[in-house]
Amino acid sequence: DQQVKQNSPSLSVQEGRISILNCDYTNSMFDYFLWYKKYPAEGPTFLISISSIKDKNEDGRFTVFLNKSAKHLSLHIVPSQPGDSAVYFCAARYTGTASKLTFGTGTRLQVTL
Amino acid sequence: EAGVAQSPRYKIIEKRQSVAFWCNPISGHATLYWYQQILGQGPKLLIQFQNNGVVDDSQLPKDRFSAERLKGVDSTLKIQPAKLEDSAVYLCASSLGTLMVDTEAFFGQGTRLTVV
Repeated sequence: DQQVKQNSPSLSVQEGRISILNCDYTNSMFDYFLWYKKYPAEGPTFLISISSIKDKNEDGRFTVFLNKSAKHLSLHIVPSQPGDSAVYFCAARYTGTASKLTFGTGTRLQVTL
Repeated sequence: EAGVAQSPRYKIIEKRQSVAFWCNPISGHATLYWYQQILGQGPKLLIQFQNNGVVDDSQLPKDRFSAERLKGVDSTLKIQPAKLEDSAVYLCASSLGTLMVDTEAFFGQGTRLTVV
């Protein structure tokens, strides 16, 4: 039962353009969403998050949008840079001591020159 | 601030052997997680500790996997005996874990296990 889905395994974008990574979830109890970035041979690193009480959160070149009614979130990277090339994981959790992070399968982003 | 430390970075063992991984979380983080990431998949939670108590081990194959977190700090994850399908990266993560704060989990670099 894949509660967090990233349906695009890969994405290629030109440097300077916008990268849009999508994520869908099925569990309506999720109230906090995170994006992680992972380079080869490294652990995932936190990128940006959003609470379910918001519909947008921005941090520099990275913006996450949340559409609760559609159970959909997206990560926008503007402008994309070659160093952004990595695997991006969407994760979700619900608030509470026993809450756990549930991850999607990841999207590999390649930013080309 | 030091990050999450894991060792070893790489391990190759034969099937039916045993193996252990070690994790030292960020100081002050009450919650510790062990994730298994199989190639091409997202990380899957194996076990979650809150201090030294287990709060979720529903996806831990308890017939072969075990984990402990002594004194609510360091943790070890053991596999005995290993199977070929256990080949994966084992990630340890920690977070503040307080009820009132939505915080992110910080990951270590992981241990890549290859079972041959």
